[in-house]
Amino acid sequence: SAVISQKPSRDICQRGTSLTIQCQVDSQVTMMFWYRQQPGQSLTLIATANQGSEATYESGFVIDKFPISRPNLTFSTLTVSNMSPEDSSIYLCSVQPARPQDTEAFFGQGTRLTVV
Amino acid sequence: GDSVTQMEGPVTLSEEACLTINCTYTATGYPSLFWYVQYPGEGLQLLLKATKADDKGSNKGFEATYRKETTSFHLEKGSVQVSDSAVYFCALYNFNKFYFGSGTKLNVKP
Repeated sequence: SAVISQKPSRDICQRGTSLTIQCQVDSQVTMMFWYRQQPGQSLTLIATANQGSEATYESGFVIDKFPISRPNLTFSTLTVSNMSPEDSSIYLCSVQPARPQDTEAFFGQGTRLTVV
Repeated sequence: GDSVTQMEGPVTLSEEACLTINCTYTATGYPSLFWYVQYPGEGLQLLLKATKADDKGSNKGFEATYRKETTSFHLEKGSVQVSDSAVYFCALYNFNKFYFGSGTKLNVKP
């Protein structure tokens, strides 16, 4: 298994500002994922972050709005830029262990973002 | 493309009642199937998984069987507790991507 520490756990931000969310894992992992969970809805994948390469964004998400860093195998950040109330969501970091046979994903506790 | 469909909630049960949450999937190849649980204010936790047809995943009294013929992975528990109140997500993993269902909120009343 993997233990994931995600910070901050919640924040209230003014529109037009940016927030950076940190994700720290207790072991080296190949793939890290960032999801958005809008109120009462399921998870939507924002992007996949692999160490040493640019993040791969899903349809509807762009790097200018959600820049991601992945400086090493245990850490990643997601920035929500130029926020609007529509960005109010829970943002979740997820990892998959390095062994190919381990298919399950592990999640951080999430960052609950409210934009006012 | 791949997708997961699960029954809508909320589901409200009395303590010790039987639970079934339906989940069906569409996928190419041979996906792995999962149930995740999300307690209030927390992230998702893996509840159980199955990696091939006819596998049964089980944990904490919950069970689900990978049925390839019906493309289903229904979650069951014989006797629910108040502490089982949470949102349950069915998910599949295929070609390095996860696909999640919409989630089913379970309320268990004493």
